[in-house]
Amino acid sequence: DAGITQSPRHKVTETGTPVTLRCHQTENHRYMYWYRQDPGHGLRLIHYSYGVKDTDKGEVSDGYSVSRSKTEDFLLTLESATSSQTSVYFCAISEYQTDTQYFGPGTRLTVL
Amino acid sequence: TQLLEQSPQFLSIQEGENLTVYCNSSSVFSSLQWYRQEPGEGPVLLVTVVTGGEVKKLKRLTFQFGDARKDSSLHITAAQTGDTGLYLCARGGGGSNYKLTFGKGTLLTVNP
Repeated sequence: DAGITQSPRHKVTETGTPVTLRCHQTENHRYMYWYRQDPGHGLRLIHYSYGVKDTDKGEVSDGYSVSRSKTEDFLLTLESATSSQTSVYFCAISEYQTDTQYFGPGTRLTVL
Repeated sequence: TQLLEQSPQFLSIQEGENLTVYCNSSSVFSSLQWYRQEPGEGPVLLVTVVTGGEVKKLKRLTFQFGDARKDSSLHITAAQTGDTGLYLCARGGGGSNYKLTFGKGTLLTVNP
């Protein structure tokens, strides 16, 4: 299994509060991705990174920001959480010049 | 957005039966991945196919990539309860950012 951890694994928060989710890898892979998974929508890309300090938006990036200051860590921040951001969030990594991605165990976020 | 259609959306069968699930698009894939996701976990890669007409086998699972690289199928022979899960296909977009587009998945339940 690829060495990917996500923290926290579960979080309950209130509307309007900031939330940061962390993805940590031990594989030294260049690319990292954040997805959310919702019933009826499947996996949707939020943001991705193609190197340290190099990030770009995915298809559902509104309300989210990311940072990558080290190869091994990719942070996803909800500046002011809303109930529509209740979801399961997955981090994924991939090697340079490959479409194959490896996923972390997920974070279940509930915004009340 | 280039859509991936997976069918059927839900499938419930008895142990020992055979089944096929499908993944289709109106445009050509640069590559296609199949993943299986079990409840509470992240997707796990099963196979990557890149060549039109390619067939790959993984024990009782047979993956086929269409000649025109617009469709793929996953066939399971003699299904077991351990095959239960969400089967996702994902297409590679090509280019330099290696983003994937996922289908919504087929939820397979194998009953004892």
